[in-house]
Amino acid sequence: KNEVEQSPQNLTAQEGEFITINCSYSVGISALHWLQQHPGGGIVSLFMLSSGKKKHGRLIATINIQEKHSSLHITASHPRDSAVYICAVRSPGNQFYFGTGTSLTVIP
Amino acid sequence: EAGVAQSPRYKIIEKRQSVAFWCNPISGHATLYWYQQILGQGPKLLIQFQNNGVVDDSQLPKDRFSAERLKGVDSTLKIQPAKLEDSAVYLCASSPSGQITDTQYFGPGTRLTVL
Repeated sequence: KNEVEQSPQNLTAQEGEFITINCSYSVGISALHWLQQHPGGGIVSLFMLSSGKKKHGRLIATINIQEKHSSLHITASHPRDSAVYICAVRSPGNQFYFGTGTSLTVIP
Repeated sequence: EAGVAQSPRYKIIEKRQSVAFWCNPISGHATLYWYQQILGQGPKLLIQFQNNGVVDDSQLPKDRFSAERLKGVDSTLKIQPAKLEDSAVYLCASSPSGQITDTQYFGPGTRLTVL
């Protein structure tokens, strides 16, 4: 069983829809990262969270430390949001654990 | 600000051959990471450098993989000899100080195919 589980694995949405991607983890963490990976492999770090909620444009990330759960929300989704979204956690002992990613396709 | 640079972008080799990847992190970033991402999986940390010292190489297959960051700037990752299961994208990332809450900046990756 992976230390980091994401759901769903694949997601197709119509342009404009509100999207939620979930991440659950089983280890103690110091920080949780949401990453965006576009076709071709480039990865961009979207958020780093250790508590609460962060917002950047149409993206919102939340984390519940007690429940070991984080969500990434995309409001008013757009085809350019199509990418793989990866949840990654870093333990206090500096170990990294990555989810397998959620592949998002936004259809015009 | 220039991003993390990696080369080559693509490499195809036969099994048992050797291969090397190069990474130039963002200027001034003390911490450099190498990740292996097998198709359909999330990235796996291979090695983390803080300046030119190794912080974590617990998941690096040391019988065939080696990495160095001699001057605390750019880094090379070598595989010798390569196996079929080494086919993956090798990602390099850097962060300013390596603190747990640092943002990592990723390079475009090197896609390795071992035949």
